Amino acid sequence: GENVEQHPSTLSVQEGDSAVIKCTYSDSASNYFPWYKQELGKGPQLIIDIRSNVGEKKDQRIAVTLNKTAKHFSLHITETQPEDSAVYFCAASYFGNEKLTFGTGTRLTIIP
Amino acid sequence: DTGVSQNPRHKITKRGQNVTFRCDPISEHNRLYWYRQTLGQGPEFLTYFQNEAQLEKSRLLSDRFSAERPKGSFSTLEIQRTEQGDSAMYLCASSSAAGGNEQFFGPGTRLTVL
Repeated sequence: GENVEQHPSTLSVQEGDSAVIKCTYSDSASNYFPWYKQELGKGPQLIIDIRSNVGEKKDQRIAVTLNKTAKHFSLHITETQPEDSAVYFCAASYFGNEKLTFGTGTRLTIIP
Repeated sequence: DTGVSQNPRHKITKRGQNVTFRCDPISEHNRLYWYRQTLGQGPEFLTYFQNEAQLEKSRLLSDRFSAERPKGSFSTLEIQRTEQGDSAMYLCASSSAAGGNEQFFGPGTRLTVL
């Protein structure tokens, strides 16, 4: 089955700087890669996703890149703000297999 | 609020008791998923429904676990004879078959087994 690895497990950045979180996946059939943000006591919130037919997607301060050959994808957050502090999870799946396989999470702390 | 809702939000029970959780998906979504999340880990898939049909079950879902979605709307997850290892956050998500794999999660039910 699919295995998703995520790094780093914790990340602290100064407010205004950029943050990058990286994930690798094992199943070459995977073609859908969402990112979720989870705040304490809440369920995961979908913040951006990418499908394998594109290499990059951007939404305001958040971007995701995908390298299918290397089987890795990354989340980029620019101009970080205190409200970006949370745990971020990457995940992978493929159409026809609806379950998401999640990474182990990255705790992002924005230092004011 | 048109998001996914889950009840109860917290449940404390004694070992050996049965518990049942409810999930109400986003109204137009025909797919519904259950995941389990333990402290410091990502959610792990348990099972999913398309309409009322349960299409896949994880090996994590032992015989003590059962999920239903009788009318293709809300779903229940029951755990019989709870064990301390069942303590976790149980998350429900929903999606639309027409919308691809985008899954939207509820706030979860935190189960503590004493």
